[in-house]
Amino acid sequence: AQKITQTQPGMFVQEKEAVTLDCTYDTSDPSYGLFWYKQPSSGEMIFLIYQGSYDQQNATEGRYSLNFQKARKSANLVISASQLGDSAMYFCAMTPGGGSYIPTFGRGTSLIVHP
Amino acid sequence: DVKVTQSSRYLVKRTGEKVFLECVQDMDHENMFWYRQDPGLGLRLIYFSYDVKMKEKGDIPEGYSVSREKKERFSLILESASTNQTSMYLCASSPRRAAYEQYFGPGTRLTVT
Repeated sequence: AQKITQTQPGMFVQEKEAVTLDCTYDTSDPSYGLFWYKQPSSGEMIFLIYQGSYDQQNATEGRYSLNFQKARKSANLVISASQLGDSAMYFCAMTPGGGSYIPTFGRGTSLIVHP
Repeated sequence: DVKVTQSSRYLVKRTGEKVFLECVQDMDHENMFWYRQDPGLGLRLIYFSYDVKMKEKGDIPEGYSVSREKKERFSLILESASTNQTSMYLCASSPRRAAYEQYFGPGTRLTVT
């Protein structure tokens, strides 16, 4: 069984500063994928970034990067130069390897960006 | 533009009613998912389908069933709605080999009274 833990129910950050959203995971699979979604107040879920367990380098997508530390089983999301539009719920999730497609989501972190 | 649509944005049903939630995607995706989202609990997978007529139970299938007769359509059925099924229901689809890259519908907020 796989598990995702997001320990920060809410985070605040000043506009233009960087922020890290924590995510730890637990799995016995040697192969897996980790990813993040954003859910603004409008409700739609938006895919942000993906990291495979065998990827050597941390994934980056624009202002988003995934700080993957395999030994610590963490997959933190780093948002650089925060913008007001980054205010949203952020969900960490994972899929197991071995051909299974069933994802597990964390409970989410609410991020508020202050001007 | 990629599109996942859900039949209703808001729905109010009575306890014991049979409820159908419909989801349609236009991206020719193999995988389709039904989640429910409750405050503080995140997204919990109800059912998953990886092909027409194929389905797998997720974390919380009790009280729900699904139907996938066509590739683009995935239906969630509440056989006998109960008040603890009041929730936001999200449908998603993804390509087979990229289950992480899911495209979500706008959600259906179901209230069971």
